[in-house]
Amino acid sequence: ETGVTQTPRHLVMGMTNKKSLKCEQHLGHNAMYWYKQSAKKPLELMFVYNFKEQTENNSVPSRFSPECPNSSHLFLHLHTLQPEDSALYLCASSPTGRINPEAFFGQGTRLTVV
Amino acid sequence: GQNIDQPTEMTATEGAIVQINCTYQTSGFNGLFWYQQHAGEAPTFLSYNVLDGLEEKGRFSSFLSRSKGYSYLLLKELQMKDSASYLCAGGYGGATNKLIFGTGTLLAVQP
Repeated sequence: ETGVTQTPRHLVMGMTNKKSLKCEQHLGHNAMYWYKQSAKKPLELMFVYNFKEQTENNSVPSRFSPECPNSSHLFLHLHTLQPEDSALYLCASSPTGRINPEAFFGQGTRLTVV
Repeated sequence: GQNIDQPTEMTATEGAIVQINCTYQTSGFNGLFWYQQHAGEAPTFLSYNVLDGLEEKGRFSSFLSRSKGYSYLLLKELQMKDSASYLCAGGYGGATNKLIFGTGTLLAVQP
């Protein structure tokens, strides 16, 4: 248990569906991240939020829409996805600043697009 | 870019020592992280190096050379449970410290 909770753990969705992934942390961290992990590829940084403000969008297609209502919660809204979007989506949080900036990861949501 | 390069796979024997190397781009670099990830699980933090040199934490040690853009993770007295993927990640940018990961090194520990 890392203190970062993601729901759901598994999700199967059709290409016309709309779904949302949820991430929650109560570690007092102010930075939150979405990563995509595909087989045989590095963890790909998607979005970074710092004090609820988006500070990084790593050229992510608009069918992925993040939302950060407060420093403890992060969402990833999904719509009209493609089969190649099937992957493990990991949320992480970290303290801001450079001292002990360890990122804690959630267990991930295994997404399958059919 | 901030290319992080590490070997894809390694194999070692139980009780032995293994060194996993990682190179990274130095521009904008803050520090170097190592994470362990077992299959189907979240990555878990192992170490963070900011200064040059070796940091030891039990059976695991991590080394950093900022001038060379090079790090390694040293695992001693290998156990079967050490079979996992080891992820090298560079921290870049300002206060948020954006983590850029390598592909991970899949370590198989054999009896």
